[in-house]
Amino acid sequence: SQELEQSPQSLIVQEGKNLTINCTSSKTLYGLYWYKQKYGEGLIFLMMLQKGGEEKSHEKITAKLDEKKQQSSLHITASQPSHAGIYLCGAVSDTGRRALTFGSGTRLQVQP
Amino acid sequence: DAGVTQSPTHLIKTRGQQVTLRCSPKSGHDTVSWYQQALGQGPQFIFQYYEEEERQRGNFPDRFSGHQFPNYSSELNVNALLLGDSALYLCASTALPRGGPRRATEAFFGQGTRLTVV
Repeated sequence: SQELEQSPQSLIVQEGKNLTINCTSSKTLYGLYWYKQKYGEGLIFLMMLQKGGEEKSHEKITAKLDEKKQQSSLHITASQPSHAGIYLCGAVSDTGRRALTFGSGTRLQVQP
Repeated sequence: DAGVTQSPTHLIKTRGQQVTLRCSPKSGHDTVSWYQQALGQGPQFIFQYYEEEERQRGNFPDRFSGHQFPNYSSELNVNALLLGDSALYLCASTALPRGGPRRATEAFFGQGTRLTVV
């Protein structure tokens, strides 16, 4: 079965600083998803990557999928308190409606 | 567009009882998946429904069952509740991907139902 490892597990940064979260898969990724979660709430969809080398951006958040499709990174530029939360990567190893496998999450705190 | 909606938001049950959670998928989506998220962990896949049938199942016992209705909404039922069933239960909706079945599809989640078993 596919396993996803996220690093770091937690992160505290000063407001305005840049940061990167990594997600590494034990198998080739067919689709890689990034979500944000506030404590005890649902998952907010950020981005989905499918092609090796693909990069997507939304506001100050950029996600990349490496060429070999086994690792993804999420980069936040000029972090703000509103970026605080838990970032989860999820992946599918096949096409269509496949269920997602998730990493354990990265808890981000942004200090004003 | 209301997105994915779940009910109730919070629930407290006693060990041994049964519970039913509900999910309405995003407009245009026909597939519903259920996940269990324990505190401090990532969501774990329970099962998936489309065309009113269970299509995939994760590593969960038969106490966990579900149903999908003709309007694509879904229910998750858990029988003989255990303390360890306390978790956030998340529903995700998806659809057949545009561009054909060889593409991955976006998955949107509801706000979850927090179940506490005492």
